[in-house]
Amino acid sequence: ELKVEQNPLFLSMQEGKNYTIYCNYSTTSDRLYWYRQDPGKSLESLFVLLSNGAVKQEGRLMASLDTKARLSTLHITAAVHDLSATYFCAVEAVPGTYKYIFGTGTRLKVLA
Amino acid sequence: ETGVTQSPTHLIKTRGQQVTLRCSSQSGHNTVSWYQQALGQGPQFIFQYYREEENGRGNFPPRFSGLQFPNYSSELNVNALELDDSALYLCASSSNPPHTGELFFGEGSRLTVL
Repeated sequence: ELKVEQNPLFLSMQEGKNYTIYCNYSTTSDRLYWYRQDPGKSLESLFVLLSNGAVKQEGRLMASLDTKARLSTLHITAAVHDLSATYFCAVEAVPGTYKYIFGTGTRLKVLA
Repeated sequence: ETGVTQSPTHLIKTRGQQVTLRCSSQSGHNTVSWYQQALGQGPQFIFQYYREEENGRGNFPPRFSGLQFPNYSSELNVNALELDDSALYLCASSSNPPHTGELFFGEGSRLTVL
């Protein structure tokens, strides 16, 4: 069974702290995507990682992809309250199928 | 640039009824995917439409069906509604080519089945 697992599922952290969210997947995909979802809202694309070793950064968030380990990380630097949301990673079930499997999500709460 | 729009935003149906949800893709996008997101879960892939044809389907029964129109807008139809169909239904558009796989989501249609 194809799986995309994130950990932790819940993360409560203080403002100013650093932390990493992990995304492990079981497919052979060499692409991975990160999305953000605010409560009651839709999903917003954060990062598109299209190859092994890809690293993307936007503000306090940095995402990386290791396709050999089937692992992606989303690193948060000096967290601020506005980063509170649920973060999902997603991979293509089988390359070329356009069927994307989403992880369970990591609910992040940044405390002031 | 117009983003992905969905309608209705909220609706309530009873078990056994049928529902149609609508989606207009982002300007320039020719591919539409539908996802079901139950409360507290990640989105689950229902199906994708490209050039008015179904181009991939997830593990959903045939009572979930769809259409894509020449202007790339799309409909999701669900027949014989069940209580477990209560969820947020998300439409996502993308461009192909290039096929980066990045999805642009609408705000969703929240369906409650009583």
